[in-house]
Amino acid sequence: NAGVTQTPKFRVLKTGQSMTLLCAQDMNHEYMYWYRQDPGMGLRLIHYSVGEGTTAKGEVPDGYNVSRLKKQNFLLGLESAAPSQTSVYFCASKDRGLDDTQYFGPGTRLTVL
Amino acid sequence: AQSVTQLGSHVSVSEGALVLLRCNYSSSVPPYLFWYVQYPNQGLQLLLKYTSAATLVKGINGFEAEFKKSETSFHLTKPSAHMSDAAEYFCAVSPAGTALIFGKGTTLSVSS
Repeated sequence: NAGVTQTPKFRVLKTGQSMTLLCAQDMNHEYMYWYRQDPGMGLRLIHYSVGEGTTAKGEVPDGYNVSRLKKQNFLLGLESAAPSQTSVYFCASKDRGLDDTQYFGPGTRLTVL
Repeated sequence: AQSVTQLGSHVSVSEGALVLLRCNYSSSVPPYLFWYVQYPNQGLQLLLKYTSAATLVKGINGFEAEFKKSETSFHLTKPSAHMSDAAEYFCAVSPAGTALIFGKGTTLSVSS
């Protein structure tokens, strides 16, 4: 049981390049989330999904797209990276209960030059 | 809009001293409240959560938090700090049981 895994762990992009971050969970959770963490800002929600094939915008969705084609995977895409997207990205998942715990992946550190 | 305020971005204590990390929330309905801990270069780990079963919640590593509705607070405490408690701590609220709204975090430093 690996929990929540994220690929890659580190990445450096140039402005304008695109990339996809992959999140996978093996807990059969319905809900999945993408957050970004910036110094002094806490974690902010980018997009989330309440089930396979569904996605919704969070607090800071601009510049990102997501897809949930399979229940266990949640992809975060950057179509044209900008320096403002330099951040640490965390994926999380949880079951559908209102008070269920969110489980976090180890994070992806992205630098956009 | 729901929000979480963590008072003090940085708290320093001596080993063996009381740890008190403050969290206040705004919510029009009783929320679900969480404390997470993040060690350097790691993801977030759940310390404890309040789900209305009991106002005093005990978590891992000797931490506990008390839900006070009248003060809209959910402060985190530990009677005696250990060096291994040095980390960043996040308070979060889940008003509707889906997404979490995080505070900005408090970095705890523990000196010997």
